[in-house]
Amino acid sequence: DAKTTQPNSMESNEEEPVHLPCNHSTISGTDYIHWYRQLPSQGPEYVIHGLTSNVNNRMASLAIAEDRKSSTLILHRATLRDAAVYYCILREANTGNQFYFGTGTSLTVIP
Amino acid sequence: DTGVSQDPRHKITKRGQNVTFRCDPISEHNRLYWYRQTLGQGPEFLTYFQNEAQLEKSRLLSDRFSAERPKGSFSTLEIQRTEQGDSAMYLCASSRAGNGAETQYFGPGTRLLVL
Repeated sequence: DAKTTQPNSMESNEEEPVHLPCNHSTISGTDYIHWYRQLPSQGPEYVIHGLTSNVNNRMASLAIAEDRKSSTLILHRATLRDAAVYYCILREANTGNQFYFGTGTSLTVIP
Repeated sequence: DTGVSQDPRHKITKRGQNVTFRCDPISEHNRLYWYRQTLGQGPEFLTYFQNEAQLEKSRLLSDRFSAERPKGSFSTLEIQRTEQGDSAMYLCASSRAGNGAETQYFGPGTRLLVL
């Protein structure tokens, strides 16, 4: 799987939008972009995924650049419960193997 | 859907002892994954199963590690002759087979401390 680059940490004020960037310049045409988050002392939790088009679900939105070399996870109104490490992962289609997590972005939400 | 469960949640052992962890995946999921996570790092892939077949193993999975998934249901991960460097969180995940878009569902992990 191709690798991703994320900032080590970010801060946000509570109830404000958060934009978490991810660079994946070596992405291939069949790689899906997945986002997971991990709260302290818990296993990772699925957030959202996409291939080419922007995606929305109840947790977040995923904005994918036209050239697919970067993407942004958008939390529309950060809450204290959103404080976690967010991982951007590329997953090649038609493979059964692992996710490559990297070190992710640690999000701090300030009350 | 009761989620992925892991047992035990915590394990303390002395160096040189053997330990075994269990993972129960979501019942209809045919893929099962094991990851290891050390402090400050993201999870690292160890191995995965499709049904009962172990299809891929990471270089991280030394000869002291063995995983099984009899009958394609629950899985066990055994570490023989534990070393202090084995101290980590061991995570299990499961998913349906898919085309790259499938979601992996993670368990709460087993935290191992080797003294």
